[in-house]
Amino acid sequence: DIVMTQAPLSVSVTPGESASISCRSSKSLLHSNGITYVYWYLQKPGKSPQLLIYRMSNLASGVPDRFSGSGSETDFTLKISRVEAEDVGIYYCGQLLENPWTFGGGTKLELK
Amino acid sequence: EVQLVETGGGLVQPGRSLKLSCVASGFTFNNYWMSWTRQAPGKGLEWVASITNSGGSTYYPDSVKGRFTISRDNAQNTLYLQMNSLRSEDTATYYCTRVGGGYDYWGQGVMVTVSS
Repeated sequence: DIVMTQAPLSVSVTPGESASISCRSSKSLLHSNGITYVYWYLQKPGKSPQLLIYRMSNLASGVPDRFSGSGSETDFTLKISRVEAEDVGIYYCGQLLENPWTFGGGTKLELK
Repeated sequence: EVQLVETGGGLVQPGRSLKLSCVASGFTFNNYWMSWTRQAPGKGLEWVASITNSGGSTYYPDSVKGRFTISRDNAQNTLYLQMNSLRSEDTATYYCTRVGGGYDYWGQGVMVTVSS
């Protein structure tokens, strides 16, 4: 199974500043078709998860452009510019390259 | 507007069965793979099952293979999860998810508690 490891476990950010969350996969998520099958989700308190980034760097519909995704074959970063109160929650990375499709353990973002 | 509405959760004894349903609206259901993903209380996300848009193929992790069955009725825009031989570790909120570019839409979730 592909293991997804996130860091840090939690991050505290001053509103208006930026935050970065890392995710590492135990195997390359780059498919031979050139697509990297890593995704980012946000679960706000008491809510269902929502998709933020798909295929490593593509912004999902309706997601503010303060969010961006980048990375290589095994190391990925979610960056949030100008953090706002509505960004609080738990962020998960996930992979859809190989069955079983797996998620990272989550990173909790809080405001200072 | 895309909507996914799950029903069928509840309290069930270990070893018993339960069937979840998810009614989809706001998109062409038979154009998309669908999945179930779960979240144990206070824990992270775990993929449970997926089904192709035609229903011809299904996929499961080892943790539920042989016990859970995903199916769909494209005429009724409905996704199902039949859960047999339930265990305490199956206690979780179960989410119905559309597989677009990733799990791009999630239902509100339904709680399943396995306890005697």
